[in-house]
Amino acid sequence: AQTVTQSQPEMSVQEAETVTLSCTYDTSESDYYLFWYKQPPSRQMILVIRQEAYKQQNATENRFSVNFQKAAKSFSLKISDSQLGDAAMYFCAYRDGAQKLVFGQGTRLTINP
Amino acid sequence: KAGVTQTPRYLIKTRGQQVTLSCSPISGHRSVSWYQQTPGQGLQFLFEYFSETQRNKGNFPGRFSGRQFSNSRSEMNVSTLELGDSALYLCASSLSNGVPLYEQYFGPGTRLTVT
Repeated sequence: AQTVTQSQPEMSVQEAETVTLSCTYDTSESDYYLFWYKQPPSRQMILVIRQEAYKQQNATENRFSVNFQKAAKSFSLKISDSQLGDAAMYFCAYRDGAQKLVFGQGTRLTINP
Repeated sequence: KAGVTQTPRYLIKTRGQQVTLSCSPISGHRSVSWYQQTPGQGLQFLFEYFSETQRNKGNFPGRFSGRQFSNSRSEMNVSTLELGDSALYLCASSLSNGVPLYEQYFGPGTRLTVT
């Protein structure tokens, strides 16, 4: 079975600085998708960024970028110029042909003003 | 375009009772997935429906069931509630469940408390 591991239960960063959240996964599939979701206190899950496994280029969305290392099965999220609104739980997730999302345990990100 | 809506938002039930949660997907979306979120187990997949058919199911007991209607609205039912069923239940919809992979949009969730 596929598994997703986030080894950092909590992270904190100063406003305007850069932070990297780690994620590793385990799968025997070659075609799959990886995601980072953000869950603020409102509990609404919001997609931050996605990466297709067949793409070698790392995905970027404004201040958010990923470092996708397929061989190492690693998928980290970098947030640049951190803002107070970035404070939330961040979940790494995996999805393949089985169609279901498999989530990591989450990393709580705190932004210090 | 309206987002995914879930009703009710909050629910308190007693052990042994049953409960039905509702999810209305984004207009035009035909795939609906359900997830359970608890502090101990995290986010776990319950089931996915596409065109009124269950396409995938997670590792939950038979007390958890669902269905999807012709208008893509979905309901999930939990019978004989247990204290451990207390959780946030999230619904997500997407255009389809095939390839290419379409993004899943999540609803605000239903907070179920079992006493």
